[in-house]
Amino acid sequence: QVQLQESGPGLVKPSETLSLTCNVSGASITSFYWNWIRQSPGKGLEWIGYSYYTGSTNYNPSLKSRVTISVDTSKNQFSLRLSSVTAADTAVYYCVRVVFSSSGSQNWFDSWGQGTLVTVSS
Amino acid sequence: DIQMTQSPPSLSASVGDRVTITCRASPSISTFLNWYQQKPGQAPKLLIYASSSLQSGVPPRFSGSGSGTDFTLTISSLQAEDFAWYYCQQSYSSPYTFGQGTKLEIK
Repeated sequence: QVQLQESGPGLVKPSETLSLTCNVSGASITSFYWNWIRQSPGKGLEWIGYSYYTGSTNYNPSLKSRVTISVDTSKNQFSLRLSSVTAADTAVYYCVRVVFSSSGSQNWFDSWGQGTLVTVSS
Repeated sequence: DIQMTQSPPSLSASVGDRVTITCRASPSISTFLNWYQQKPGQAPKLLIYASSSLQSGVPPRFSGSGSGTDFTLTISSLQAEDFAWYYCQQSYSSPYTFGQGTKLEIK
């Protein structure tokens, strides 16, 4: 049974960089693609992006200029960095595994961390 | 970006009722549609993937259907634990997008 657990500061100042880590247990970090998704009252659920252990990434264009998602195979964890944050980045951030169908065409988010609230405020 | 629109935004129903939630995609997404359930203070939980496939461990009272632009999630006989938020999500193209959600409340 895969388990994901987010960690990181719950309060970030405007213009600074938000940094979160997701620890993965019960699954190999090299076998899947790893995502960050956030949820706020104003914007609902928003997919941020994903990374594969090879360094391959795919980001939401709306955040692409500020986002970095990376995988650390030595620690079986992955991370999110979001720069130049504003109050609009206040949200619950989830780390999420995506699973692809055998054909590779379909995909779905099958395992989620519990989420961590990040507030952007001075 | 692909736009996902759910209806109704909220729904009141009783235990034992049959309930249907609708999700519309613009443009068409074939069967690249997933459904999630979210309870207060919890992360979303996958219910249905690829429009109609039931995720392992999810009760068979949940079912999904649809293709193209119109999709439905049906709960055949509501149980007390089913009162929650429900979200659809398209996996047809990046950026992957979600519907705004449907809140299922007890009548």
